[in-house]
Parts: sequence; C-alpha cells; structure tokens
Amino acid sequence: EVQLVESGGGLVQPGGSLRLSCAASGLTVRSNFMSWVRQAPGKGLEWVSLIYSGGSTFYADSVKGRFTISRDNSKNTVYLQMNSLRAEDTAVYYCARDQRDYGGNLFDYWGQGTLVTVSS
Amino acid sequence: DIQMTQSPSSVSASVGDRVTITCQASQGITTWLAWYQQKPGKAPKLLIYAASSLQSGVPARFSGSGSGTDFTLTISSLQPEDFATYYCQQANSFPLTFGGGTTVEIK
Repeated sequence: EVQLVESGGGLVQPGGSLRLSCAASGLTVRSNFMSWVRQAPGKGLEWVSLIYSGGSTFYADSVKGRFTISRDNSKNTVYLQMNSLRAEDTAVYYCARDQRDYGGNLFDYWGQGTLVTVSS
Repeated sequence: DIQMTQSPSSVSASVGDRVTITCQASQGITTWLAWYQQKPGKAPKLLIYAASSLQSGVPARFSGSGSGTDFTLTISSLQPEDFATYYCQQANSFPLTFGGGTTVEIK
C-alpha cells in the first residue's frame, strides 16, 4: 500500500523559510515522478513543483527562485525547501505521486497534507 | 499557461440525479485531462485520467468524455457519498493547472 506522509508545516513569518518533508512507503521516490500541490484556505488546487525520476525539476512561476524540490533516496523522502515566504504561500501543501504512465502529468496518490501559515 | 475553466462553480442536486460538470481548456490538450474529487479536510482523489479512463476502484457511475478543449465529467446517478468538490486538471504541459472547482451540494 502506498503512503505519503507530509510533515514540517507550521507558522512562519513573512520572509522566513520552512522545509517540508514527504516520507513515502510502498513506492520508491527515486523511481517515480513526485510533486507538491497546494491549496490556500477555501481555495482551489495549485500545482507547485515536480521532480522527475531522472532528477529534472519544474516549478510554478509563483514559486520559481524561492522554492526548491529535492529528494533523499536513502530516506525515500521528497522535500520542498521554501524560502522568502509570503502571505500568499499560506496553504495546505500536499505531496503527490505523478502517474506519468496514465498519459501526461497527473496524480494518483496523495498525502494528507501539511498546513503552512505565513503571518507576522 | 493553459487556463482551465470549470462550470458551474456549484450545483445543487438530489440523490439519484444525473450531474454534468464541464471543463474548458484555453488551448488544445488532446485527452491529457484528469478529474479529481475532494471532500472537506481530505486530499483529492483521482477519478478519471486521459479524459475518459476510470481510475481503479472508482464506481462506474462516474464517466468522462471530451478531447481538445472541451471536457465533461458525468455522475449518472448521484449517491450520498458523491457530495464533494470536483476539479479538472490539464496534464499536457507545464505549468500543470487545475480548474476552479465545482461543488456538488445537496438539494
């Protein structure tokens, strides 16, 4: 059974940093495409970032230059390093597996989410 | 960027009703489209991929159709557990984008 467990969320001041973790079981992160998707309170879904199995990374324009996706194969964990945080980054952040085999980039497994609140 | 426009933003329906949600892409995406269901406080759940393929374990009352720029999600006979918010997502190109969501409410 695939499980994705996010952690690392919390309250941070504007301009601050936070690192989110997504610990995977039932799948190997180095062999999969993994993404972060966020949802601001009461709003819709927004794709944030993706890392390919080969290591290539992609970002939404809203986070490019501020967020970095990475993975630790030994820990089977994906990370999202978030710097220069803004109030508009406040959201629940979900880790998701990108099921490329279905055609295109879409998400078949999701974690439960971790809440990031950017506020002074 | 490809914009995804869903309609309606909300719909009130009764158990047993047929419900149709539409999603329009700002440019052609062939059939690179997915549909998700999300219940309050929960992660989204994949329902449909490649515009019309049913994800394993999803009831057959859910179906998807369309190609190019116009897509539809249909629930043939609404069940109590189907009251939720539904999102489309284009899987064609970066940045990946979602529709604004359609909330299916109890009438």
